[in-house]
Amino acid sequence: EAQVTQNPRYLITVTGKKLTVTCSQNMNHEYMSWYRQDPGLGLRQIYYSMNVEVTDKGDVPEGYKVSRKEKRNFPLILESPSPNQTSLYFCASKVRGATNYGYTFGSGTRLTVV
Amino acid sequence: DAKTTQPNSMESNEEEPVHLPCNHSTISGTDYIHWYRQLPSQGPEYVIHGLTSNVNNRMASLAIAEDRKSSTLILHRATLRDAAVYYCILTDQTGANNLFFGTGTRLTVIP
Repeated sequence: EAQVTQNPRYLITVTGKKLTVTCSQNMNHEYMSWYRQDPGLGLRQIYYSMNVEVTDKGDVPEGYKVSRKEKRNFPLILESPSPNQTSLYFCASKVRGATNYGYTFGSGTRLTVV
Repeated sequence: DAKTTQPNSMESNEEEPVHLPCNHSTISGTDYIHWYRQLPSQGPEYVIHGLTSNVNNRMASLAIAEDRKSSTLILHRATLRDAAVYYCILTDQTGANNLFFGTGTRLTVIP
């Protein structure tokens, strides 16, 4: 089944403890992206990647890192999480080209930083 | 970036058609109109997209005004499973730029 898989689905952590949220897609998509969703603010892009080894900042990149060493994986790294990074995170991927379908999103990772 | 305006909420009776409007008066000539929806406790889901002509797929239809300043997502027979937040989004030619989701329209389907 074509899908974007995020892990973990739920995570509670403490301030300052480094964590990684993994994202993997099995559709050979070039584009991948991370979003966070907060009440009243909607979905906002954190980072995106147009292909392997090509990443760029979205609207809210502060406090996050990403890497794209392989086409299928796009992990989100929080080096020193803080409570304001408590949020619902979504990874998404898309094949290159305007006439193809839109982004496929993962099921989300709910992160709580205490 | 051109933005869109949608009603905050709409209601529909089950098995009746639903027309979800979207205004995008500052759309540029090369902007595509995408619709996504987000069901409760799930990630957003692509629904449909178009440029100038009306589009149909298995999920919905997209009607685009001649001047492209507005569009309407049409669900032909609403089911309870269609209850979700629907987002109208403008994208560039690649469809891969930052998707600005806005607040969307929360659709309630009444049994």
